[in-house]
Amino acid sequence: EAGVTQFPSHSVIEKGQTVTLRCDPISGHDNLYWYRRVMGKEIKFLLHFVKESKQDESGMPNNRFLAERTGGTYSTLKVQPAELEDSGVYFCASSQRVAGELFFGEGSRLTVL
Amino acid sequence: RKEVEQDPGPFNVPEGATVAFNCTYSNSASQSFFWYRQDCRKEPKLLMSVYSSGNEDGRFTAQLNRASQYISLLIRDSKLSDSATYLCVLSTSRDNDMRFGAGTRLTVKP
Repeated sequence: EAGVTQFPSHSVIEKGQTVTLRCDPISGHDNLYWYRRVMGKEIKFLLHFVKESKQDESGMPNNRFLAERTGGTYSTLKVQPAELEDSGVYFCASSQRVAGELFFGEGSRLTVL
Repeated sequence: RKEVEQDPGPFNVPEGATVAFNCTYSNSASQSFFWYRQDCRKEPKLLMSVYSSGNEDGRFTAQLNRASQYISLLIRDSKLSDSATYLCVLSTSRDNDMRFGAGTRLTVKP
């Protein structure tokens, strides 16, 4: 069975550009989470989808970040326009039930120059 | 005060040593507790859940102390392959999303 997959694995963009990250959760997992880890800091929660609905988006840093999960399958996280401080590794995770085991993707490393 | 606090380490121990990590949390409403392991440049993976009664999985023992609001992880007979960052993770009943500690780095040396 395929695990959580994320694309791209690494993206290098210039400040002011737009980047869209994609996450395909494990099939059948209704819960999908986005997390971010910036250099030297802890993994920070961004938001949580249950199917296509945003259950909690309290961790989204500002309105330059937009997450969607149309149809309740894969999710995208768009950063527009990107700033230097957005650099980090963006992890997606899915789980079968709330507060259950999280299965992480390998992460998308974003570098903003 | 941070929601989840861990000693960042690094802990450098010889093979065969016993090592323990603690993690404190500030939200008394926290309901579920976990230890995740993250290897260098890899994604986090579940090591074990932490139950109120404490639980053991081979060389790993996890404990929860609700009164003092901390969880612990004990690793016995350390192996080289135990070298990793250990993440304390918990969820609250309010929003059920997971909160991560910054991680404790362990290096086991021959």
